[in-house]
Amino acid sequence: NAGVMQNPRHLVRRRGQEARLRCSPMKGHSHVYWYRQLPEEGLKFMVYLQKENIIDESGMPKERFSAEFPKEGPSILRIQQVVRGDSAAYFCASSPLLAGVSTGELFFGEGSRLTVL
Amino acid sequence: KNEVEQSPQNLTAQEGEFITINCSYSVGISALHWLQQHPGGGIVSLFMLSSGKKKHGRLIATINIQEKHSSLHITASHPRDSAVYICAAPFMDSNYQLIWGAGTKLIIKP
Repeated sequence: NAGVMQNPRHLVRRRGQEARLRCSPMKGHSHVYWYRQLPEEGLKFMVYLQKENIIDESGMPKERFSAEFPKEGPSILRIQQVVRGDSAAYFCASSPLLAGVSTGELFFGEGSRLTVL
Repeated sequence: KNEVEQSPQNLTAQEGEFITINCSYSVGISALHWLQQHPGGGIVSLFMLSSGKKKHGRLIATINIQEKHSSLHITASHPRDSAVYICAAPFMDSNYQLIWGAGTKLIIKP
């Protein structure tokens, strides 16, 4: 049973380019969460998605950032017109459901490390 | 004052030693997470516990909800246990918005 898969593991972009990060949750998990970890800091929640639905995007910057989790395929975190401050590790997590509700257990991917030059 | 505090911040020990990392929190929570992160690596969820004690291999986590305190213990520590250990508490009963401790950097010397 594969864990949470994220790709790419490392991504380098120049200022102004777009970054796309992908996350495939664990098999059977339909809830996906994205977090950002700035250097020497803890994880900050960004967005919570279910298939075809954004549940909570309160942690997402209002501009340049978007996320989706289509019916088919991985969840995608998209950062447009990247700036140096976007350089961070972006982690995805998924959680299982029990009776339709998340159990609260979080299974993390290896993260995608974005470097903006 | 941070709502989740860990101690110590750094811990260096010899292989085989018994390790204890502490976490205190000021928020009311339903469960607490312990996670492990290797340098430049991913995050592994070690435990989610709401009461008592959980054990997985050489790792033991305990929590006292009344005292708002949790501990992570490692028995027979090994160099591969070297990592940052983080405790995190749910923010306002959320399952996914977590208040993270600063982490404890553990180094186990052979």
